[in-house]
Amino acid sequence: DAGVIQSPRHEVTEMGQEVTLRCKPISGHNSLFWYRQTMMRGLELLIYFNNNVPIDDSGMPEDRFSAKMPNASFSTLKIQPSEPRDSAVYFCASATGENTEAFFGQGTRLTVV
Amino acid sequence: AQSVTQPDIHITVSEGASLELRCNYSYGATPYLFWYVQSPGQGLQLLLKYFSGDTLVQGIKGFEAEFKRSQSSFNLRKPSVHWSDAAEYFCAGPRFGNEKLTFGTGTRLTIIP
Repeated sequence: DAGVIQSPRHEVTEMGQEVTLRCKPISGHNSLFWYRQTMMRGLELLIYFNNNVPIDDSGMPEDRFSAKMPNASFSTLKIQPSEPRDSAVYFCASATGENTEAFFGQGTRLTVV
Repeated sequence: AQSVTQPDIHITVSEGASLELRCNYSYGATPYLFWYVQSPGQGLQLLLKYFSGDTLVQGIKGFEAEFKRSQSSFNLRKPSVHWSDAAEYFCAGPRFGNEKLTFGTGTRLTIIP
């Protein structure tokens, strides 16, 4: 398996623009997590899904952020409109289910100017 | 709230010396705990995990960790570090069932010749 695949690896956008980050989990995994990593706040869980259903989105910073998982093999994290403070590395991770470890993608480095 | 704590932000160790990175958890029941490593510009890689049973678990790259219920700790150890071990180390957990995986703040490890 190719592991968790995230795209793009790097994204530079202007403030106010819409940004969409994409994630393909490992086949057969039914849990998916979106994390944000910054120097100031470390690794924060934004949202996670079980069987394509959002279970906990309490980490989503504000309404500008939204995440979807239309099927078991794809998820998106959208920021609209983007702001400079959204600059961070965004990680997607997936897990097989109960009591298992999460496998991480390589991350998307987002820079909002 | 369930959480893990890494009290050391930065540790410097000489190459060839032994290493211990601390992790404390807060939860009443026996948690599922993990150690991840992140090299610069990379995603997080699982080093080892504890689910139950033997309290001393072996991981990749020569790392091990010991679960101590009496101390609510899950410390990571390596008898002799190599320059390639320089990275950021994250303790994660506790995870029950399909709950979210939360991370400690990380410990940055620097290796000196």
